[in-house]
Amino acid sequence: QSALTQPPSASGSPGQSVTISCTGTSSDVGGYNYVSWYQQHPGKAPKLMIYEVSKRPSGVPDRFSGSKSGNTASLTVSGLQAEDEADYYCSSYAGIHNYVFGTGTKVTVL
Amino acid sequence: QVTLKESGPVLVKPTETLTLTCTVSGFSLSNARMGVSWIRQPPGKALEWLAHIFSNDEKSYSTSLKSRLTISKDTSKSQVVLTMTNMDPVDTATYYCARTVTGTIDYWGQGTLVTVSS
Repeated sequence: QSALTQPPSASGSPGQSVTISCTGTSSDVGGYNYVSWYQQHPGKAPKLMIYEVSKRPSGVPDRFSGSKSGNTASLTVSGLQAEDEADYYCSSYAGIHNYVFGTGTKVTVL
Repeated sequence: QVTLKESGPVLVKPTETLTLTCTVSGFSLSNARMGVSWIRQPPGKALEWLAHIFSNDEKSYSTSLKSRLTISKDTSKSQVVLTMTNMDPVDTATYYCARTVTGTIDYWGQGTLVTVSS
């Protein structure tokens, strides 16, 4: 159950796009289509932004999209807005009711 | 409306046992597709999954903390309890409970900060 690997930081100007990677193994990211992405603002609980690799919960803007190739999943935020500045975490189901989180990425809107 | 709320001590001493309770509403702990996980986040650090209990009472634990954790539930009270033994200052963190539905952790509680200090 090693943490999934994410870049520590990512940034972009308003209106631009930013993509965050999440690398795991064939036992988690590569083995299941249960990758989720969470947005966390300071002092707040994480909020689900993407589930099952690419699905968006109701209310999440379509500027947020997800994908997966092999053992690496990605979150893309298009048309960056100031309120998108936050920490982002990926998570994957890892079998038999086990879960694993990513190392987290701080997104800065320049 | 799905809600989860954590409760427990804000301060524990080293070597003590921590007991946290998660009270849920808006869904049943007996729902076949659902479960509850505990997750923690040390100040300024990443999220760490700790334990999970499924509707059929199946339990799973983080490999690194398995020897110290116990998760249980009382469906009639809509509560999930996590105990962690032999607390250490490195266990200082915000502890969250969250609902799981078929491989996805979706709804989260607000979290409760637990400080371990003598």
